[in-house]
Amino acid sequence: EDQVTQSPEALRLQEGESSSLNCSYTVSGLRGLFWYRQDPGKGPEFLFTLYSAGEEKEKERLKATLTKKESFLHITAPKPEDSATYLCAAFNAGNNRKLIWGLGTSLAVNP
Amino acid sequence: GAVVSQHPSRVICKSGTSVKIECRSLDFQATTMFWYRQFPKKSLMLMATSNEGSKATYEQGVEKDKFLINHASLTLSTLTVTSAHPEDSSFYICGTSGGTDTQYFGPGTRLTVL
Repeated sequence: EDQVTQSPEALRLQEGESSSLNCSYTVSGLRGLFWYRQDPGKGPEFLFTLYSAGEEKEKERLKATLTKKESFLHITAPKPEDSATYLCAAFNAGNNRKLIWGLGTSLAVNP
Repeated sequence: GAVVSQHPSRVICKSGTSVKIECRSLDFQATTMFWYRQFPKKSLMLMATSNEGSKATYEQGVEKDKFLINHASLTLSTLTVTSAHPEDSSFYICGTSGGTDTQYFGPGTRLTVL
């Protein structure tokens, strides 16, 4: 069964303390993987799409990477406004674009 | 990224009434729209997928007569929760796709059924 697992479930950082969030997947025929940010009471906000192992994408303090088994979201020198839940979702070639979601990592950045 | 709106953002209704939620793609044509519900501290659960002008495809366990979906244009989809009950209380989110792989999401609608 296709599955996406995110770790840790929750992470608390001090402002400026860099870290990484993990998204491991077992998805047959993986076509790509998304990272989203979700604030409380809001819909997910698109961050990155990764398609192939070795690919990297960057946006401000965030960098997403992809291997054949997992993806990482690296957060460099985070700020309190980076506090949110980060969701990872995979999709394969079939399934009418149905996404396979992880449960997310809740990130809190203390000032 | 694409801009997607949902209306209303929050609704409270009495048990037995029907509620309509609108999802609009404001700056692109959404050929495919998705409706999700999300429970507290849980991930998004896909309810149905609709392509413009076609009937929606519902996920297993989702009652199509209870959750009516209309995708009449490339910018608008509606979800109507018919005869709502307290167990239908949830956070409903629409996702949109304009033919690429990426889904863009609306801000969500909090439904509370009393």
